Amino acid sequence: DAGITQSPRHKVTETGTPVTLRCHQTENHRYMYWYRQDPGHGLRLIHYSYGVKDTDKGEVSDGYSVSRSKTEDFLLTLESATSSQTSVYFCAISGTSGGEGFFGPGTRLTVL
Amino acid sequence: QKEVEQNSGPLSVPEGAIASLNCTYSDRVSQSFFWYRQYSGKSPELIMSIYSNGDKEDGRFTAQLNKASQYVSLLIRDSQPSDSATYLCAVNSNTDKLIFGTGTRLQVFP
Repeated sequence: DAGITQSPRHKVTETGTPVTLRCHQTENHRYMYWYRQDPGHGLRLIHYSYGVKDTDKGEVSDGYSVSRSKTEDFLLTLESATSSQTSVYFCAISGTSGGEGFFGPGTRLTVL
Repeated sequence: QKEVEQNSGPLSVPEGAIASLNCTYSDRVSQSFFWYRQYSGKSPELIMSIYSNGDKEDGRFTAQLNKASQYVSLLIRDSQPSDSATYLCAVNSNTDKLIFGTGTRLQVFP
């Protein structure tokens, strides 16, 4: 987890509220990713960024948005949280396109 | 058809044995392959990467790649109880993204 932090680490929220998760890196890596991990589904890509202000969708992007205004920060926003978004969210970084990814410690989100 | 497939396990092996974990992928143009270890409640940790056909060894770990058959495997020699974890296979196909399998749970019993 060195060089990557996620905040908050745990969050409980109510259905319909907006939630923002933050990923911060000190490695100056170009690529940043947001995944969710659920039993039986493994790691699924939500959104990723290939540079400041450059983002693209992953396979499960509905209901999520991202922003990257600085190299070191990548924000994931759940615009109106639903119970189906209860999950563990991991941020990952990579110095090369599709290269080795290094993961943050994760955020456990519960939507009631 | 899933792009990256792994047997979910659990794979149970005795301490000291060789654990063999397998992964198949569907995209023939895949170029980069990675193995991650994930302990329960923790984040995935990169343990091996392999890019060309053949074997790559790092300590007790050996990654094997066969692009013609579209599979990649991870061998763990002298398995220890501390190796008990879920092992994730990840594949890149000339994009910015990695595609992960759902992981194989390994149990090493004393």
